[in-house]
Amino acid sequence: GQQVMQIPQYQHVQEGEDFTTYCNSSTTLSNIQWYKQRPGGHPVFLIQLVKSGEVKKQKRLTFQFGEAKKNSSLHITATQTTDVGTYFCAGPYGGSQGNLIFGKGTKLSVKP
Amino acid sequence: NAGVTQTPKFQVLKTGQSMTLQCAQDMNHEYMSWYRQDPGMGLRLIHYSVGAGITDQGEVPNGYNVSRSTTEDFPLRLLSAAPSQTSVYFCASKREAVNYGYTFGSGTRLTVV
Repeated sequence: GQQVMQIPQYQHVQEGEDFTTYCNSSTTLSNIQWYKQRPGGHPVFLIQLVKSGEVKKQKRLTFQFGEAKKNSSLHITATQTTDVGTYFCAGPYGGSQGNLIFGKGTKLSVKP
Repeated sequence: NAGVTQTPKFQVLKTGQSMTLQCAQDMNHEYMSWYRQDPGMGLRLIHYSVGAGITDQGEVPNGYNVSRSTTEDFPLRLLSAAPSQTSVYFCASKREAVNYGYTFGSGTRLTVV
């Protein structure tokens, strides 16, 4: 069945270091979304990428969508303790725009 | 504007009991979904709805029922609770338009003993 995979599962960094998480889909995606979940919280929508090769930035966060629309990445420059949480990518499930299949997430911890 | 409201926040059930997890949104969103989150498993889609009267199964629908009689409400029913259904359940909603992400509720932590 359709799968969305993320690596790494965990990442521990020193504050100020960079961080990258990678997302790979078993199928071509019409779009990909990224969410952040703080410890004990609920997922919060960060961004959606739609175009092949698209790159979007939100302050220190850079999101990329692969040319084949089967992979994506999230890069955080100079991590801060406020970046702690789990980052999930998600794509349309079964081709429907109305629901999502999520990767298992990358849990980021930041040591001050 | 409360967003997505889930009740209860915590629940303990005995094996074989049934219950309904409530979800309501006040944003007039067309799409609503239920996910369960287990350690190391990410978020798995249980059921979803693209509008009132329309529901469909997700990745892990067995043991759960849903209905969508109104745009606002999307309850999740556990028919006969099993320990394997111990999880955190999230309800989420979004506008139909493509460029919008899901808004999640704060979750229901369910334990089945």
